[in-house]
Amino acid sequence: NAGVTQTPKFQVLKTGQSMTLQCAQDMNHNSMYWYRQDPGMGLRLIYYSASEGTTDKGEVPNGYNVSRLNKREFSLRLESAAPSQTSVYFCASLPVTARADTQYFGPGTRLTVL
Amino acid sequence: KQEVTQIPAALSVPEGENLVLNCSFTDSAIYNLQWFRQDPGKGLTSLLLIQSSQREQTSGRLNASLDKSSGRSTLYIAASQPGDSATYLCAPSWGNTPLVFGKGTRLSVIA
Repeated sequence: NAGVTQTPKFQVLKTGQSMTLQCAQDMNHNSMYWYRQDPGMGLRLIYYSASEGTTDKGEVPNGYNVSRLNKREFSLRLESAAPSQTSVYFCASLPVTARADTQYFGPGTRLTVL
Repeated sequence: KQEVTQIPAALSVPEGENLVLNCSFTDSAIYNLQWFRQDPGKGLTSLLLIQSSQREQTSGRLNASLDKSSGRSTLYIAASQPGDSATYLCAPSWGNTPLVFGKGTRLSVIA
């Protein structure tokens, strides 16, 4: 049981390049989330998927797209990276809802956009 | 928009001290509240989940309390150790919506 896994762990991009951050969970969780964490800003929600087949915008969705490929996998795509997207990105999952369950986090992807 | 505030932003204490971290939230109609720990360069680990019907939840040297009506939660750490050094975040839940996180309290326990 690996929990929540993220790839890659580190990435450096040039402005305008695209990339996809991968996230997978093996706990059969329904809900999955993408956050970014910046110094002094805390964790901010980018997109989430309450269940397979659904996605919703969070607080800071501009410049990102997501795909809930199946119940296990939730990817985050940067179509044209900008320096403002330099951040640490975390994926998380929840069994069913936030009502009574603990959220599990991946180890993060450190992205630098030059 | 729900907001979560954590005070203090940073805290440095000598080993062995008992300490309290504070969390306040603007909308008191929460379902539960979680406290997380984050070590430098790592992801978040859930420490305690306290339901809205509970007043306290304990795990080892950690005790989380919840005063829903006043929109406050505290995390009490007893007999602090250098290994407790980390950032602690609180995150209330308002039901089937994503958690909202505070900016955290960065704790340093000095040996």
